[in-house]
Amino acid sequence: KQEVTQIPAALSVPEGENLVLNCSFTDSAIYNLQWFRQDPGKGLTSLLLIQSSQREQTSGRLNASLDKSSGRSTLYIAASQPGDSATYLCARRVEDSSYKLIFGSGTRLLVRP
Amino acid sequence: GAVVSQHPSWVICKSGTSVKIECRSLDFQATTMFWYRQFPKQSLMLMATSNEGSKATYEQGVEKDKFLINHASLTLSTLTVTSAHPEDSSFYICSASSERLAGGLRVKYFGPGTRLTVT
Repeated sequence: KQEVTQIPAALSVPEGENLVLNCSFTDSAIYNLQWFRQDPGKGLTSLLLIQSSQREQTSGRLNASLDKSSGRSTLYIAASQPGDSATYLCARRVEDSSYKLIFGSGTRLLVRP
Repeated sequence: GAVVSQHPSWVICKSGTSVKIECRSLDFQATTMFWYRQFPKQSLMLMATSNEGSKATYEQGVEKDKFLINHASLTLSTLTVTSAHPEDSSFYICSASSERLAGGLRVKYFGPGTRLTVT
C-alpha cells in the first residue's frame, strides 16, 4: 500500500523558531516528492518539488530534503513567522505514467506571535 | 505561474439534486486534469484522472456513475455530482498538468477548491 505519513499532525510554535516537518513514505519507488501549503478553505500552493535524483531543494526560508533509502522527507522552516501558519502537505508521485500524487494527511502549523 | 480556476468556490444544494463544478486552466493547455476530494482535517484523495477527449480513469471505490467527469477541451474539465447526498459534502479540488510547463516536468497546478455542502 502506497502510504504517506506526516508527523506531527499539529504543531504550535512561537514566532522565530526553526522547525522541521516530517514526511515518510512506504514505497521507495518514488518519482518525485512535493511539499504544499494549504490555507484554511483554500487550494494548494506548491512550495518545493524534489526529483528522485535530488537530495534537497531550497526556497527562501524553506528547505526540503529527500532520503529515498529511508523513505523520508523533511521540510525545514527557518525563523518561522505567523504568516507561515497553514497546513503543510507532502505528496509523492508514484513512479509510473499515471502522474498520480499520493498525499499525506498534513501537519497543521500555528506560529504564535 | 500557471493558474487554475474553479467555479463555483462554494455551493449548497439539496439532497437528491446534481451539481456541476468547473475547472479551468487559464493560461495553459492542460493535457491531463485530476479531481481530488478532501474531507475536513484529512488529506486529498484522488478521485479520477481525465485526459482531454477521452474517458476519465476513476480510482478504486469512486463511483463513476455518481461523479461524472467531462474533459471537453484542453482548458476545461467538469465534475458533476449526481443525486448528491450529505455524505458527498466535501472540498473538491482539481489540478491540471501540462508537459509544456516547467521544462516538461509535468508539474501539476491546483485550483482553489470548491466547497460542496449537501443539505
